[in-house]
Amino acid sequence: ETGVTQTPRHLVMGMTNKKSLKCEQHLGHNAMYWYKQSAKKPLELMFVYSLEERVENNSVPSRFSPECPNSSHLFLHLHTLQPEDSALYLCASSQDGAGGQKTDTQYFGPGTRLTVL
Amino acid sequence: KQEVTQIPAALSVPEGENLVLNCSFTDSAIYNLQWFRQDPGKGLTSLLLIQSSQREQTSGRLNASLDKSSGRSTLYIAASQPGDSATYLCAHSNSGYALNFGKGTSLLVTP
Repeated sequence: ETGVTQTPRHLVMGMTNKKSLKCEQHLGHNAMYWYKQSAKKPLELMFVYSLEERVENNSVPSRFSPECPNSSHLFLHLHTLQPEDSALYLCASSQDGAGGQKTDTQYFGPGTRLTVL
Repeated sequence: KQEVTQIPAALSVPEGENLVLNCSFTDSAIYNLQWFRQDPGKGLTSLLLIQSSQREQTSGRLNASLDKSSGRSTLYIAASQPGDSATYLCAHSNSGYALNFGKGTSLLVTP
């Protein structure tokens, strides 16, 4: 595997289900991100982990719960979602420079297409 | 909040044309600006990254420029090909972790 991989690629779930999205980066990066892409809206940053610490949470509802067990893996745990949460969820990674300088581009995975019924 | 606007929202051109995609942003405190490509139902592919100290970057048939004073960036695609058909996204960074994205320009290059 190379780059950033995401599983599953497609997920359909009911509002009472619990599911998890998985992201793995094979680039040796130290920062990972979750983005949400809804129709007709710009990509929205959800969470950022740098060196396995959560450094940003953009007012995301608690029904989305991220987990970063190590620098290569990132999860997004989902529970009691709403139909408006249906979207493409994208994971990305990057290499943070010294002093928190963001010197490199972010590399994106193919996304998980989530449908909430 | 940073606003990033991309014009036009959609563009259809015949193969071989040179074209320009526009991006404007409201926050002049820019750290870098990136252009991405997204194919339908797929993730994003980074095309070009311009640091705030730079004025342009080139990769093959692509050239991106940055004018911080006017809050604008342009992506120039030379000799367009059908394989260039995709959505092109502009993203602004002001040194934080967040990339602020525009809604994109959907490009169709017809044979």
